[in-house]
Amino acid sequence: NAGVTQTPKFQVLKTGQSMTLQCAQDMNHEYMSWYRQDPGMGLRLIHYSVGAGITDQGEVPNGYNVSRSTTEDFPLRLLSAAPSQTSVYFCASSYARDRENSPLHFGNGTRLTVT
Amino acid sequence: AQRVTQPEKLLSVFKGAPVELKCNYSYSGSPELFWYVQYSRQRLQLLLRHISRESIKGFTADLNKGETSFHLKKPFAQEEDSAMYYCALVGGGADGLTFGKGTHLIIQP
Repeated sequence: NAGVTQTPKFQVLKTGQSMTLQCAQDMNHEYMSWYRQDPGMGLRLIHYSVGAGITDQGEVPNGYNVSRSTTEDFPLRLLSAAPSQTSVYFCASSYARDRENSPLHFGNGTRLTVT
Repeated sequence: AQRVTQPEKLLSVFKGAPVELKCNYSYSGSPELFWYVQYSRQRLQLLLRHISRESIKGFTADLNKGETSFHLKKPFAQEEDSAMYYCALVGGGADGLTFGKGTHLIIQP
């Protein structure tokens, strides 16, 4: 049981490049989400999904796309990277039906730098 | 809209001193509140949740609906408590947790 796995751990992009941050969980969690963590800003929700085939926007969705074709995977796509997207990205999952009692399980994070 | 406020970016206390990390929230319904912790070079993890009324690693937090607060307390700080602490709220609906901006707790020897 690996929990929540994020790849890559580090990534450097040039402005305008695109890439996909991978997130996979093996706990059969229905709920998955992406956060970005910035100094002084805390964690801000980018996108989330309550089950396969269902996604929705969080607080800061612009510049990011997601899809949820399987329960296990929730990739985050940067369409055209900008320096403002330099951040640490966390994927998290939990059981959707009882989120009040089900804590979020976080991945180790992906540190992205856009030059 | 739901909001979580942690007024202190940084809190530094001496080992053995009491610790209180403040958290205030704004939510129209009955929220569920959590404290998450991130130790150096580790992933974020749940510390405690108000619904459980538990004490974890000596920390407790009481939900005060009148003051809309969920402050985290520990009577005697230890050096291993140094970490980033995030207060978080989940309200109704399908959206995710709303996190505060975090408080960096430093325990000095």
